[in-house]
Amino acid sequence: QSVLTQSPSASGTPGQTVTISCSASSSSLGRSSVNWFQQLPGTAPRLLIYNDYQRPSGVPDRFSGSKSGSAASLAISGLQSADEADYFCSAWDDSVNVLIFGGGTKLTVL
Amino acid sequence: QIALKESGPTRVIPTQTLTLTCTYSGFSLSTIGLGVGWIRQPPGKALEWLTHIYWDDDKHYSTSLKSRLTVTKDISRNQVVLTLANMDPVDTATYFCAHINMVRGAVTFDPWGPGILVTVSS
Repeated sequence: QSVLTQSPSASGTPGQTVTISCSASSSSLGRSSVNWFQQLPGTAPRLLIYNDYQRPSGVPDRFSGSKSGSAASLAISGLQSADEADYFCSAWDDSVNVLIFGGGTKLTVL
Repeated sequence: QIALKESGPTRVIPTQTLTLTCTYSGFSLSTIGLGVGWIRQPPGKALEWLTHIYWDDDKHYSTSLKSRLTVTKDISRNQVVLTLANMDPVDTATYFCAHINMVRGAVTFDPWGPGILVTVSS
């Protein structure tokens, strides 16, 4: 089965820009649009980015998404302590009609 | 305002069937393009997609769990029901339901319910 690979951890200091990556293992998964979710400790995930780069209303423009080939990225600028959370990517594999989540990246604000 | 909430048992015995209900508000699951999905998360681990159902009753299931999963909708009650048969301790997880709007592209979950922690133990 196809997978989405994320680095287990990332860190940054307040004000910095941090980038979290999500890499697809297959071409079928790689051509799908990517969504990003933020999960604060003890809460349900929240949609941050959909269709690779689009932000739902209410999501600050400090959060931005991009995609090149099979690799997607989430950038967080002006890092704040409130951004300390787990971040997950997801994509739909239309070759087998299943949704795949990445393993998640734990972001620490130092 | 769209809201969803999961309900059901918080503890099940191995081999039992888990039945969870997602009660939603703020939308109708008879509206074209809408759906509800289920996702779970074992303690300290990653999210795992389970299934989702669309307004037209189209359903998709996780390949690894397909033989054990069923999802149905009751539009009159604004509910989506998940059943997972033959529960095992490895199925211990927080189970979330979430709203899908196809306008946002392929299977985008937003918003999510708060989740319900289900523990499988004898």
